[in-house]
Amino acid sequence: GQNIDQPTEMTATEGAIVQINCTYQTSGFNGLFWYQQHAGEAPTFLSYNVLDGLEEKGRFSSFLSRSKGYSYLLLKELQMKDSASYLCAGYNNAGNMLTFGGGTRLMVKP
Amino acid sequence: EPEVTQTPSHQVTQMGQEVILRCVPISNHLYFYWYRQILGQKVEFLVSFYNNEISEKSEIFDDQFSVERPDGSNFTLKIRSTKLEDSAMYFCASSTRDRANDGYTFGSGTRLTVV
Repeated sequence: GQNIDQPTEMTATEGAIVQINCTYQTSGFNGLFWYQQHAGEAPTFLSYNVLDGLEEKGRFSSFLSRSKGYSYLLLKELQMKDSASYLCAGYNNAGNMLTFGGGTRLMVKP
Repeated sequence: EPEVTQTPSHQVTQMGQEVILRCVPISNHLYFYWYRQILGQKVEFLVSFYNNEISEKSEIFDDQFSVERPDGSNFTLKIRSTKLEDSAMYFCASSTRDRANDGYTFGSGTRLTVV
């Protein structure tokens, strides 16, 4: 199967660090994407991991462990505008498609 | 920054009617997709399209759905006879070959409401 699990909601404080976890069970994923989605808007690309390890892009970092079927998105120096849903998505190279998790709604409080 | 454009942003249609959702992908992208998101649920893959043909489709993409690239810029999704359960946000996306670095670029979506 291709199940992707992530927490439904998280709350964090402005200026803090938050880690959003994603676990997956798959027989066909070649990599993992993270997308940000504000309510009523399109998902926007944050990161893609195909190899194990940490990828850093400014305030956002993403980690992948293929053997454990585990990824996380790390957001540093949280800002109010980071309040959004964060979508973990497995990429199937053969089918060229994304399989999304249900998303984690992050609320950043002052 | 280049973007994927979708029209209309909202569409209300009666059950049983045909709808066509339109998308203009990024001009140098080669791969095109449709995804949908029912309110409060996860984003779901519908279909991918490359070199003027469907390369993959999900179970959702049944005979009521079709896609077309009628010219060099537009990419359309047609639903022949809409059902209430087709109500959702429909996202068009496009990508280059280098999906790792470029990712998939999604349009802002068409909210379809079937009444």
